Amino acid sequence: EDQVTQSPEALRLQEGESSSLNCSYTVSGLRGLFWYRQDPGKGPEFLFTLYSAGEEKEKERLKATLTKKESFLHITAPKPEDSATYLCAVVRGAQKLVFGQGTRLTINP
Amino acid sequence: KAGVTQTPRYLIKTRGQQVTLSCSPISGHRSVSWYQQTPGQGLQFLFEYFSETQRNKGNFPGRFSGRQFSNSRSEMNVSTLELGDSALYLCASSWDSEKLFFGSGTQLSVL
Repeated sequence: EDQVTQSPEALRLQEGESSSLNCSYTVSGLRGLFWYRQDPGKGPEFLFTLYSAGEEKEKERLKATLTKKESFLHITAPKPEDSATYLCAVVRGAQKLVFGQGTRLTINP
Repeated sequence: KAGVTQTPRYLIKTRGQQVTLSCSPISGHRSVSWYQQTPGQGLQFLFEYFSETQRNKGNFPGRFSGRQFSNSRSEMNVSTLELGDSALYLCASSWDSEKLFFGSGTQLSVL
């Protein structure tokens, strides 16, 4: 069965304090790994898609990387507006996303 | 370009009732997926429709059903509501069934 595990469940950082979120997965025939951001009371917002091990994507203070077993979302010098829940999801042949439980990130000013 | 629109935003029902939720996808998107989000289970896939046909279905009981119209708008229906159906129901549209654009959801409370 496809599984996606995110860690930590919650992370509290000071503004400017860089860190990484982890997403480990067990899925055969991975077609893609996705990162989403979700703010309270809203639906998830697409951030990145990664397709193969070694691939990296960047957007502002965020960088996503992918290996054969896990993905990392690196946050460099975060700001309070980066506070959100970050969700990782995988898709394989069935064309449906399997989501992790998310990491709730809080950036204190 | 308008985003995914879900109505209503909030809904309160009692056990045993049925409910219909509506979703208007982004113009040009033919795939519409539905997800249930709860604090305990996270985001779980309900079903996906593409060009009016159900293409995938998650592990939910038959009380959960959906449909898609020729203009790509979609509805999901839950019959005989149970307390455990209280959740945020999210609709997502996409061009390729992978990069999803989510609406803000319908928060359903079952009393």
